[in-house]
Amino acid sequence: AQTVTQSQPEMSVQEAETVTLSCTYDTSESDYYLFWYKQPPSRQMILVIRQEAYKQQNATENRFSVNFQKAAKSFSLKISDSQLGDAAMYFCAYRSYGSGNTGKLIFGQGTTLQVKP
Amino acid sequence: DAGVTQSPTHLIKTRGQQVTLRCSPKSGHDTVSWYQQALGQGPQFIFQYYEEEERQRGNFPDRFSGHQFPNYSSELNVNALLLGDSALYLCASSLALAGGTAYNEQFFGPGTRLTVL
Repeated sequence: AQTVTQSQPEMSVQEAETVTLSCTYDTSESDYYLFWYKQPPSRQMILVIRQEAYKQQNATENRFSVNFQKAAKSFSLKISDSQLGDAAMYFCAYRSYGSGNTGKLIFGQGTTLQVKP
Repeated sequence: DAGVTQSPTHLIKTRGQQVTLRCSPKSGHDTVSWYQQALGQGPQFIFQYYEEEERQRGNFPDRFSGHQFPNYSSELNVNALLLGDSALYLCASSLALAGGTAYNEQFFGPGTRLTVL
């Protein structure tokens, strides 16, 4: 079975600074997706960024980028130029890839990010 | 374009009661997944419905059941409520995988907060 671990329950960053959230996972599969989701206090889960395991290039979305280390099973999220609106709980998630998969997401425990003005 | 909607927003029940939560998927989506998110934790997959049938189930007891209607909306039913069922229940919708390997994003609703007293 696949597992996702986020070892940082809380992180804080100064506005305009850069912060990195860590995630490790365990799987015996060779192809899969990895995600970072943001859940603000309003509760709506929002997709931040996606990485396909077969792609060596790290995904980027504006101020958000990932460091995907497949051999180490590590998937960290870097937020550059942090903004007050980035304050939220961030979840790392895993999804199997391939025929017949249901799109079931396996989430980590989450990291609460505080942004200080 | 309306996103995923869930009702009710909040619900308070007592132990032993039964509850029904409702979800309307994003327009054009045909697959609905349900997740349970305990306070301060990551979401846990309950089950997924496609073509009015349960396609995959997570590690939840039979007290948790669901249904999908011809219009793709879905219900989550929980019988014999326990204190431990208190959580945020998230619904996510997506479009069924095409060809088995296509990527399909899951869009989440705002959730229903269930409190069991």
